[in-house]
Amino acid sequence: SAVISQKPSRDICQRGTSLTIQCQVDSQVTMMFWYRQQPGQSLTLIATANQGSEATYESGFVIDKFPISRPNLTFSTLTVSNLSPEDSSIYLCSVQGTGELFFGEGSRLTVL
Amino acid sequence: DAKTTQPPSMDCAEGRAANLPCNHSTISGNEYVYWYRQIHSQGPQYIIHGLKNNETNEMASLIITEDRKSSTLILPHATLRDTAVYYCIVRVATGNYGQNFVFGPGTRLSVLP
Repeated sequence: SAVISQKPSRDICQRGTSLTIQCQVDSQVTMMFWYRQQPGQSLTLIATANQGSEATYESGFVIDKFPISRPNLTFSTLTVSNLSPEDSSIYLCSVQGTGELFFGEGSRLTVL
Repeated sequence: DAKTTQPPSMDCAEGRAANLPCNHSTISGNEYVYWYRQIHSQGPQYIIHGLKNNETNEMASLIITEDRKSSTLILPHATLRDTAVYYCIVRVATGNYGQNFVFGPGTRLSVLP
């Protein structure tokens, strides 16, 4: 199984600012995934991040709001830009294993 | 949309078996059944998966009906630490993992002392 570390684990931000979340994996992986979990809701895929190419975003998510970097096979960042209270969620990084997905512990964002 | 239907909540007495049902009546022949759980404020944790045979590991057993339209996750001796939301997911074995793992609302299991 993969060990996934996310930073920060939680943060409180002012509206209009941005937050960058880091995801570090203990092994090289081709695809990394970013999910959002709004309060009381299930997980929703934001985008798929491949090393060396632009991220692929799901319907309802755009690069300007959620820019993603994937500089190498063990690291990715997700930025949530121009924050509003509606962005208050848990953001999760995930990687695929041999048949399953592994998740980090998540980054809990609160926007005031 | 999720391809599975689960009861929104269940209770189980500590030490007893917890049997969590899942309906996936539209499952295709090449789709696997996966189970994850999410303990409060943590990332989802993989539990088990199967195609058509029953599966068992150190965490749980997965029973899939012969027609594959439903399955049951069994936690043989539930503890308080098993209190979590349990997600049943069906997905194809190939393609984009992120797009293929669609999380529904899950079942909130409460293990009671």
